[in-house]
Amino acid sequence: EVQLVESGGGLVQPGRSLRLSCAASGFTFDDYAMHWVRQAPGKGLEWVSGISWNSGSIGYADSVKGRFTISRDNAKNSLYLQMNSLRAEDTALYYCAKDRSSSWYRGTWFDPWGQGTLVTVSS
Amino acid sequence: DIQMTQSPSSLSASVGDRVTITCRASQSISSYLNWYQQKPGKAPKLLIYAASSLQSGVPSRFSGSGSGTDFTLTISSLQPEDFATYYCQQSYSTPLAFGPGTKVDIK
Repeated sequence: EVQLVESGGGLVQPGRSLRLSCAASGFTFDDYAMHWVRQAPGKGLEWVSGISWNSGSIGYADSVKGRFTISRDNAKNSLYLQMNSLRAEDTALYYCAKDRSSSWYRGTWFDPWGQGTLVTVSS
Repeated sequence: DIQMTQSPSSLSASVGDRVTITCRASQSISSYLNWYQQKPGKAPKLLIYAASSLQSGVPSRFSGSGSGTDFTLTISSLQPEDFATYYCQQSYSTPLAFGPGTKVDIK
């Protein structure tokens, strides 16, 4: 069974940093691209970032470009999101999601998703 | 960037009703459109990919159609477990945008 378990969320002050992790199991991690998707409290879904199987292709939403960095460690079956210069509007539940293939590209989808880790940015 | 809209934003329906949700893209996305279901407190779940392909394990009462800019998700006979929020998502180009969601609740 595919499992994605996020961790690393918490309360952080504006301007500070946080690193999220996603531990993957139940599939060959380095065969798949991965993504982070977030959901602000009571709001809809927003794609944050995606990374191909070998980290050769990476993309970000404009709202986080230059502040967030996605990475992965295939030896540890783990996905990461380094979040710097956090803002109140980054407050959200952050989901890790598996791509349909090794290189996220036109025609992709997210399946499955983890349960999420909550990030709260507040002073 | 491609913008996604959904209508209605919410609807009330009864068990057994036929429900249709519409998703529209701001430009043509061919058939690169996916649908997800999210129940309160839970992660989203993939229902339909590539506009009309049913994800494994998803009941056949769910169906998707459309191409270009206009898409629909249909639930042929609403069941109690279908009360949830439904999101469309385009995978034609980055950013991989979602629609704002349609909440389906009990009439």
